Amino acid sequence: ETGVTQSPTHLIKTRGQQVTLRCSSQSGHNTVSWYQQALGQGPQFIFQYYREEENGRGNFPPRFSGLQFPNYSSELNVNALELDDSALYLCASSFWDRGTEAFFGQGTRLTVV
Amino acid sequence: QQQVKQSPQSLIVQKGGIPIINCAYENTAFDYFPWYQQFPGKGPALLIAIRPDVSEKKEGRFTISFNKSAKQFSLHIMDSQPGDSATYFCAAEGSNYKLTFGKGTLLTVNP
Repeated sequence: ETGVTQSPTHLIKTRGQQVTLRCSSQSGHNTVSWYQQALGQGPQFIFQYYREEENGRGNFPPRFSGLQFPNYSSELNVNALELDDSALYLCASSFWDRGTEAFFGQGTRLTVV
Repeated sequence: QQQVKQSPQSLIVQKGGIPIINCAYENTAFDYFPWYQQFPGKGPALLIAIRPDVSEKKEGRFTISFNKSAKQFSLHIMDSQPGDSATYFCAAEGSNYKLTFGKGTLLTVNP
């Protein structure tokens, strides 16, 4: 098991609602990335945070936003939920200077109904 | 645009067999190639990784072969066991530290 923890593990929301997912990074890691994994697919990069600022974004609309806190933990917020947002959301932490060896949490399974 | 292509989509081998999973990439700026293993309900776990200045890397029963000129790399699992049954993802990373994943290979190792 990695030291990356995500909460909650499962979540059911209604279309149009807003959701906040949380991630605690591994000790010593200062960079957090978020990925969306649809069923049967590989993870897709949403965005990355370093020093509390967004440092790169994938092909996701602005209703996907995030935060990184001084202790390097992070939140992913999704507004105006759509059915297609149903997926496993993964948080990965790493150490910026190496920029490699990303360690993933167990994910949050979001279901939008 | 799929920047990392992975094959096969699924693979079944007998215990002790050597499954091989292949990946090809397009972006020559990629400089780090990890493989992840994922069990149902879990996040991906880093298995082994390679950089393009090395043609082969072994860690335990897992071996990565890398062909820079062909822009291809593969994972070999020696003496596969039923516990290796999982989904395997190749990935590639460039200077922006963003991982681009393949679509995954579902490996089943029969007893």
